[in-house]
Amino acid sequence: AQSVTQLDSHVSVSEGTPVLLRCNYSSSYSPSLFWYVQHPNKGLQLLLKYTSAATLVKGINGFEAEFKKSETSFHLTKPSAHMSDAAEYFCVVSDPGNEKLTFGTGTRLTIIP
Amino acid sequence: EAGVVQSPRYKIIEKKQPVAFWCNPISGHNTLYWYLQNLGQGPELLIRYENEEAVDDSQLPKDRFSAERLKGVDSTLKIQPAELGDSAVYLCASSFRGSSSTDTQYFGPGTRLTVL
Repeated sequence: AQSVTQLDSHVSVSEGTPVLLRCNYSSSYSPSLFWYVQHPNKGLQLLLKYTSAATLVKGINGFEAEFKKSETSFHLTKPSAHMSDAAEYFCVVSDPGNEKLTFGTGTRLTIIP
Repeated sequence: EAGVVQSPRYKIIEKKQPVAFWCNPISGHNTLYWYLQNLGQGPELLIRYENEEAVDDSQLPKDRFSAERLKGVDSTLKIQPAELGDSAVYLCASSFRGSSSTDTQYFGPGTRLTVL
């Protein structure tokens, strides 16, 4: 069975400093992995997607994530946080050929001015 | 390109009343999903349609929940009767079932249901 664990429920960083949101996954196969962002009262928006191509995936708004099979991790990073990055972030896993997405419990990112 | 449209955005009802949510997917998307998102949690799949067919409804509580996707486009999710524990956000998503191993799902803004 597929699952994801988001290691931090809440992360606070100062504006202009790096962001690191941690995610570990469990899958019996070579999974597809996603990061989605959810701003208050807005729909979930896809940040980036990994599907067994390059292990370093670049997404929108300067975010990127690296797939590390040996560590079963898919951490999300951004070099410099912006106030508009404040939101809830979800790490998501899906086994190949399975359209079912399994979401983590989310990490709330707060940006300190 | 228009995104996934959901209505209403907010709904407040008393317990035991019926309620319905509507979703219009992105044009051309043949797969439609309904998710339930409880406060502080990630979304959980309720039902998945491919065109008109419900291909995965294993997580749908069929005693009180029902869904339909007539003509393979719009979809309606219904709860009858609603219970206090049904208070949550109901999300609709759509995707195009193509050759990709996992298709990207696009989400609507959700309907926030409050049951009093």
